[in-house]
Amino acid sequence: DQQVKQNSPSLSVQEGRISILNCDYTNSMFDYFLWYKKYPAEGPTFLISISSIKDKNEDGRFTVFLNKSAKHLSLHIVPSQPGDSAVYFCAGYNFNKFYFGSGTKLNVKP
Amino acid sequence: SQTIHQWPATLVQPVGSPLSLECTVEGTSNPNLYWYRQAAGRGLQLLFYSVGIGQISSEVPQNLSASRPQDRQFILSSKKLLLSDSGFYLCAWSVGGSVAGELFFGEGSRLTVL
Repeated sequence: DQQVKQNSPSLSVQEGRISILNCDYTNSMFDYFLWYKKYPAEGPTFLISISSIKDKNEDGRFTVFLNKSAKHLSLHIVPSQPGDSAVYFCAGYNFNKFYFGSGTKLNVKP
Repeated sequence: SQTIHQWPATLVQPVGSPLSLECTVEGTSNPNLYWYRQAAGRGLQLLFYSVGIGQISSEVPQNLSASRPQDRQFILSSKKLLLSDSGFYLCAWSVGGSVAGELFFGEGSRLTVL
């Protein structure tokens, strides 16, 4: 039972444009949501999070939006940079457990 | 500052052999500890988590087991590896008892079962 889903396995964006990564979830009990960035053969690193009581959180070039009625969240990266190329995972947290999606591989072309 | 280490970084094992991956956290007390697996082309699957010494919760029934013999030590084991156990294994920790917080990952261990 996959509680967090990322239906786009890959995304390609031109440098300087906006990258939008999407995530859907089924567990309405998640307390908050997180986005992680992962390079090959490394552990994921934390990017940004959002509480389930918020609908937007912004940190520099990264903004996460939460639509609870649709059980959908998205990560916006503006402007996109080649160094942003990586796999991005969204996760939901509830009662000591973090559930991750399958990831979206972002390629930012120079 | 807190750090997390896991080893070995790379492991090639024959089918049917045992497995032991070890993870330690420094700079914090009573962390929540986790084992995740990323199979080829797949996402991060939660295998085990622990909120205290000797307390292990299994998320997915499988060929693996976990133990927490000390507060900041988490071990992933198998008595007999299967081909399907191949993958990238990640240990992680979070602040114990917290409602909001990050999950911090180790460097990962690449397991190839032949």
